[in-house]
Amino acid sequence: KAGVTQTPRYLIKTRGQQVTLSCSPISGHRSVSWYQQTPGQGLQFLFEYFSETQRNKGNFPGRFSGRQFSNSRSEMNVSTLELGDSALYLCASSLWTENTEAFFGQGTRLTVV
Amino acid sequence: GENVEQHPSTLSVQEGDSAVIKCTYSDSASNYFPWYKQELGKRPQLIIDIRSNVGEKKDQRIAVTLNKTAKHFSLHITETQPEDSAVYFCAALARGGGSYIPTFGRGTSLIVHP
Repeated sequence: KAGVTQTPRYLIKTRGQQVTLSCSPISGHRSVSWYQQTPGQGLQFLFEYFSETQRNKGNFPGRFSGRQFSNSRSEMNVSTLELGDSALYLCASSLWTENTEAFFGQGTRLTVV
Repeated sequence: GENVEQHPSTLSVQEGDSAVIKCTYSDSASNYFPWYKQELGKRPQLIIDIRSNVGEKKDQRIAVTLNKTAKHFSLHITETQPEDSAVYFCAALARGGGSYIPTFGRGTSLIVHP
């Protein structure tokens, strides 16, 4: 069974640009969550999607958005990039929204210059 | 909202020693507490978890204890080995919006010296 796949693995963007990251969950998993990981702040929850609906959202500005497609694949978008958005972005999938065991992808390393 | 404090931020031990990492949480509604291990350059992986109706759980060399009254939980690793070297994250999850909302600790970098 394939694990959680995130693309791209690495990305370099310029301040002010926007970026879209992709996450393909484990087959059959319907819940996808996104996290930002930085050395200073650790792992922070961005949002969670289930059946194409955002169920929960963390404390991030509106520049961070996401969506989920009918095949459970999810994308997150960051607009008007800032230097502080440089981080490892991880997504995790679980079988259903009540299932607390989450499986993480390898992450997308975003560098904003 | 929930706040999770994790200590220490760095822990250095000799191979064979025990290691203990402690976390405290603030929201009494939190009822699920997983621990993740993240090796350098790799994804976080769940190593053990505990629910609020259980006080202790053990899996080979790893154990987790939970004190709901004091709102703290701890990870215990016995007979540490060099391959245990990694960053360990605790998390506290509470129900909200139909799913669990996780709050993570800032991580503990465990170094096991051979």
